[in-house]
Amino acid sequence: KNEVEQSPQNLTAQEGEFITINCSYSVGISALHWLQQHPGGGIVSLFMLSSGKKKHGRLIATINIQEKHSSLHITASHPRDSAVYICAVDNTDKLIFGTGTRLQVFP
Amino acid sequence: KAGVTQTPRYLIKTRGQQVTLSCSPISGHRSVSWYQQTPGQGLQFLFEYFSETQRNKGNFPGRFSGRQFSNSRSEMNVSTLELGDSALYLCASSRDRVRDTIYFGEGSWLTVV
Repeated sequence: KNEVEQSPQNLTAQEGEFITINCSYSVGISALHWLQQHPGGGIVSLFMLSSGKKKHGRLIATINIQEKHSSLHITASHPRDSAVYICAVDNTDKLIFGTGTRLQVFP
Repeated sequence: KAGVTQTPRYLIKTRGQQVTLSCSPISGHRSVSWYQQTPGQGLQFLFEYFSETQRNKGNFPGRFSGRQFSNSRSEMNVSTLELGDSALYLCASSRDRVRDTIYFGEGSWLTVV
């Protein structure tokens, strides 16, 4: 079993829909990162969380340390949100990555 | 300020050759980490350097090595290339990875033929 599990693996949405991507982990962590990767490879860090909730524009990330679970929400999704979203946990030694969620938002 | 710069962006090598990839971190960042991304294995940690010292190493064979210079620039080297080394190699920098946001470069696409 992977140390970091993401769901769903693939997600298709219509523009304007509310999106949720989930991440569960089984190791002790110092922080959790949500990353966005567009075709071509470049990765952008969206959030770094160690507790609670963070919001940036239409993106919201939450983490429940006791349940070892985090969610990334996208409100009012837009075609430019189409990308792969990756959850990564930092166990102080290294980052451990989930397999990613491929999101496609259609107009 | 300038982002994380990786060179070269694309390269093709032959089995048995070696390759050196370079990463220039954001100014002021002392932590540089390297990752390999393949369709089959996803993103995997290679190693991390902090102030010229290797802080951690992932589960990769000794053919994979790296170093960091006094200006925080880092290089990674892969010797005796194998077909399975074909991947996107990503570098990331931060002030201190454990406590700070990490910033990724665009990556170096390596194809081994």
